[in-house]
Amino acid sequence: AQTVTQSQPEMSVQEAETVTLSCTYDTSENNYYLFWYKQPPSRQMILVIRQEAYKQQNATENRFSVNFQKAAKSFSLKISDSQLGDTAMYFCAFMSGGNSGGYQKVTFGIGTKLQVIP
Amino acid sequence: EPEVTQTPSHQVTQMGQEVILRCVPISNHLYFYWYRQILGQKVEFLVSFYNNEISEKSEIFDDQFSVERPDGSNFTLKIRSTKLEDSAMYFCASQAAAYEQYFGPGTRLTVT
Repeated sequence: AQTVTQSQPEMSVQEAETVTLSCTYDTSENNYYLFWYKQPPSRQMILVIRQEAYKQQNATENRFSVNFQKAAKSFSLKISDSQLGDTAMYFCAFMSGGNSGGYQKVTFGIGTKLQVIP
Repeated sequence: EPEVTQTPSHQVTQMGQEVILRCVPISNHLYFYWYRQILGQKVEFLVSFYNNEISEKSEIFDDQFSVERPDGSNFTLKIRSTKLEDSAMYFCASQAAAYEQYFGPGTRLTVT
């Protein structure tokens, strides 16, 4: 079974600064997808960024980028120019490539609570 | 932009009662999921549903739980006899394209 580990329960960052959230995962598969989800106080789950394991290039979405190290099974999220609206829980998540072609359950880490300080 | 909706936003029920949580997935999506998040814990997969049948379920999803898509638009999760430990946030998700699940805002279930 796949596991996702987030070792930072809480982090804080000054507004406009950069912060990196860590995530490691364990799987024996070669084909899989990794995600970062954001959960603000409203508790809506919002997809921030996605990385396909077969791609060597790290995914980026505006101020959000990942550092994907497949051999190390590491998938960190970097938030640049942090904004107050980035305050939220951030969940690292895994989906197996499997036989269903991308229609599988998502396995979540326990989350990192990020506080952006004005 | 289309979104997944869930009703009610908050449900309070007494132990032993039946509850039905409702979800309206995005209209052209064909894959549906329920997840739950006990306060302070990780989000856990409950069940996936495709082509009017369960495609996968977790150990949590025992005989007290059931899902159905009664009218082609709603997707429901029923808990037959609620327990205190069923208190959690329940998220519905739907999917059309591979690897892109869209989550609803959740229903907070409180069992007293």
